[in-house]
Amino acid sequence: GAVVSQHPSWVICKSGTSVKIECRSLDFQATTMFWYRQFPKQSLMLMATSNEGSKATYEQGVEKDKFLINHASLTLSTLTVTSAHPEDSSFYICSAPGQGTLKNTDTQYFGPGTRLTVL
Amino acid sequence: QKEVEQDPGPLSVPEGAIVSLNCTYSNSAFQYFMWYRQYSRKGPELLMYTYSSGNKEDGRFTAQVDKSSKYISLFIRDSQPSDSATYLCATYNSGNTGKLIFGQGTTLQVKP
Repeated sequence: GAVVSQHPSWVICKSGTSVKIECRSLDFQATTMFWYRQFPKQSLMLMATSNEGSKATYEQGVEKDKFLINHASLTLSTLTVTSAHPEDSSFYICSAPGQGTLKNTDTQYFGPGTRLTVL
Repeated sequence: QKEVEQDPGPLSVPEGAIVSLNCTYSNSAFQYFMWYRQYSRKGPELLMYTYSSGNKEDGRFTAQVDKSSKYISLFIRDSQPSDSATYLCATYNSGNTGKLIFGQGTTLQVKP
């Protein structure tokens, strides 16, 4: 199956700083990627849809100014958590459709996740 | 009511047992159903992908969809300790946006 990578896998930062998380599709191009967050023992919650060459689409309740998404190329999307606070500590996961373009029948491939801890 | 409901468990079984994991969903328009396996502190890994009703088998795993009752199942035969993980059912929303809707996930422990 398609491979999606994330970097870093784990980051610890001080409150008030910004953290950038990268999501890459390694062997395919993805015009769309998705960002999720997951709290311990809970399911994945979709945060936003990242679109190459255009603005991201955020889910209701997600602050777009706090979670900045940039889909700079067909293989890279970044999520920047700005002015991070302890409540932003979570597991952030990205995914991409296996065919690269958005189709309802596509399988989604997930990155390994990034664990963010804000002190 | 959540769109996809899943008993979080935990579920503990002895090695070699048959495991049954289940989800229900609310929207009859959902057509595509997936099961993902997630090990601790890892991203979800796609296990099974099914469309509409019926069964799909892959090795020790069988996915079953019953659209009449809006019920999906994953069966694991001859369970192994390495199967210990969280299993998430998922479906695409009906708006052709590619967005996945996940169940809460069931934590499975297979004891040697």
